[in-house]
Amino acid sequence: QVQVVQSGAEVKKPGSSVKVSCKTSGGTFSNSIISWVRQAPGQGLEWMGRIVPIVEVPLYTHKFQDRVTITADKSTDTAYMELSSLTSDDTAIYYCAISRNSWYGSDNWGQGTLVTVSS
Amino acid sequence: EIVLTQSPGTLSLSAGERATLSCRASQRVSGNYLAWYQQKPGQAPKLLIYGASSRATGIPDRFRGSGSGTDFILTISSLEPEDFAVYYCQQYGDSLYTFGQGTKLEIK
Repeated sequence: QVQVVQSGAEVKKPGSSVKVSCKTSGGTFSNSIISWVRQAPGQGLEWMGRIVPIVEVPLYTHKFQDRVTITADKSTDTAYMELSSLTSDDTAIYYCAISRNSWYGSDNWGQGTLVTVSS
Repeated sequence: EIVLTQSPGTLSLSAGERATLSCRASQRVSGNYLAWYQQKPGQAPKLLIYGASSRATGIPDRFRGSGSGTDFILTISSLEPEDFAVYYCQQYGDSLYTFGQGTKLEIK
């Protein structure tokens, strides 16, 4: 069974950046598809981008393309999502979601990381 | 980018009733790579259905996914108390994945 553990809650100032980590164990990290999904308070799920560690080329949705960087460290089975130029609209829970392959869907999720942007 | 529209926004039913949730895509979903997730308050989403109609590991058979192309349905045959939650569809056939806005299934 894949275990997924994310880094802890963050409080950030407007204009700063945040980097969230997602450590996996018990699966085949390199061949997995790792997505980042966020959920603003009381809102729905918003897909931000994804990476396949063995390919190393991330894909980002247009909304976040200029501000998000998704990376993966195969040596530690850890993925990262960095979001820059934060505003209060970026206050949300950020999830990493793992798909074992391209046709399965995301069957393992981290516990979520609350990022609060406040002056 | 494929836009997914879920309906209804809220569905009020009683335990034992049948629930039918809809997800319509703005263009054909490649490979019918359409998933359904359940989310309860304070929890991460849980995968129910992938590939439009395959149940994920451990998901009860009262959950059934159907559809193809642009129109997809999640049916819960007989609602249990633990099924009242928010349900999201997601397409992952395009290189950029997207979610629907969600359907809240509430107790009538």
